[in-house]
Amino acid sequence: KNEVEQSPQNLTAQEGEFITINCSYSVGISALHWLQQHPGGGIVSLFMLSSGKKKHGRLIATINIQEKHSSLHITASHPRDSAVYICASHTDKLIFGTGTRLQVFP
Amino acid sequence: DAGVTQSPTHLIKTRGQQVTLRCSPKSGHDTVSWYQQALGQGPQFIFQYYEEEERQRGNFPDRFSGHQFPNYSSELNVNALLLGDSALYLCASSATMNWDTEAFFGQGTRLTVV
Repeated sequence: KNEVEQSPQNLTAQEGEFITINCSYSVGISALHWLQQHPGGGIVSLFMLSSGKKKHGRLIATINIQEKHSSLHITASHPRDSAVYICASHTDKLIFGTGTRLQVFP
Repeated sequence: DAGVTQSPTHLIKTRGQQVTLRCSPKSGHDTVSWYQQALGQGPQFIFQYYEEEERQRGNFPDRFSGHQFPNYSSELNVNALLLGDSALYLCASSATMNWDTEAFFGQGTRLTVV
């Protein structure tokens, strides 16, 4: 059974801090998704990656397939980054982690 | 492109009633999946539709059923509603059945069962 675990569950930061959210999964996967969910529910796909590293603006996602681990980094965090960040592994379907609630204070 | 659209956005139903939720996938996408997200939890996979057939199903009872239409839009039906069915229901679409392309999500339908 593929399980996805995220840490930490909750994270608070001051504006400008470097943020790291971790995701571990239990079985081999085809790819891993990082998603952002704002209050109200809408989910936005941030990254889909199967190896190495991807960068988009202040967001960086890395994955280590051998260690079954991925990280999402936010550089120079801003209050508008406050959201729930969810990782999801995909084999034949998406399996979601429970999310990391990030709050960035000015 | 409107992306993935879901309707309605909010819904209140009484225990025992039936509900139908609707999803229109992103233009060019032919695969639709439905997820249930309870408060404070990650989304849980309900089922996936491709070519108008249910292709995969998560651990949900038969009270949860669906349909996909020739235009790729989809419905989620829940019969005999229970209080525990209260959740955010999310629809996601992709261009292939195997999620090897980026997934797009709708805003969700928040269902409250009273």
